[in-house]
Amino acid sequence: DTAVSQTPKYLVTQMGNDKSIKCEQNLGHDTMYWYKQDSKKFLKIMFSYNNKELIINETVPNRFSPKSPDKAHLNLHINSLELGDSAVYFCASSPWTGRNTGELFFGEGSRLTVL
Amino acid sequence: TQLLEQSPQFLSIQEGENLTVYCNSSSVFSSLQWYRQEPGEGPVLLVTVVTGGEVKKLKRLTFQFGDARKDSSLHITAAQPGDTGLYLCAGPVSYNTDKLIFGTGTRLQVFP
Repeated sequence: DTAVSQTPKYLVTQMGNDKSIKCEQNLGHDTMYWYKQDSKKFLKIMFSYNNKELIINETVPNRFSPKSPDKAHLNLHINSLELGDSAVYFCASSPWTGRNTGELFFGEGSRLTVL
Repeated sequence: TQLLEQSPQFLSIQEGENLTVYCNSSSVFSSLQWYRQEPGEGPVLLVTVVTGGEVKKLKRLTFQFGDARKDSSLHITAAQPGDTGLYLCAGPVSYNTDKLIFGTGTRLQVFP
């Protein structure tokens, strides 16, 4: 039983297209995240949601729009894809309580390649 | 801007050797975490250190949090091919936040 699952695992698309990545967690956590890992393996937070409410929104272009229909799901939609969007996108969840940093549980990642 | 710099960036060693990976910052962290990421997978938490000077052991892996809580180290004894992966340290940007910043990473390859 996969704890944090994201689809698709691979995504190859042309510049200018719109694409979505879906994420689901069955851990019962209230907090979910999107992270971006670049070609140098640097991992940076993009968004976090707590019980469907947006908590963190880093300096991310407006073309990226997260959506959380319920606390077990956090999807990422990207409009007008650019070459620089090519990266591995990781979904994660956490039992963060607001008082200390909890463990992050990551999905397997979605590798996006923009041609 | 808080930064977590890891060294070395790359490490290739033979099975059985010992190694140490460092995670350094000029900022104080309330805690630091260490993750290992294998190719095609997401990072997996190894340990969280909270108290300055704290030492935690996980089988052949020893983690230490600096006294001033600005740095941490990971020491692996008698490395095995199964230790191969990307090691990442991470810490919250401030107390009472879930926003983690990740280190620059150390790619370890252990040859049989």
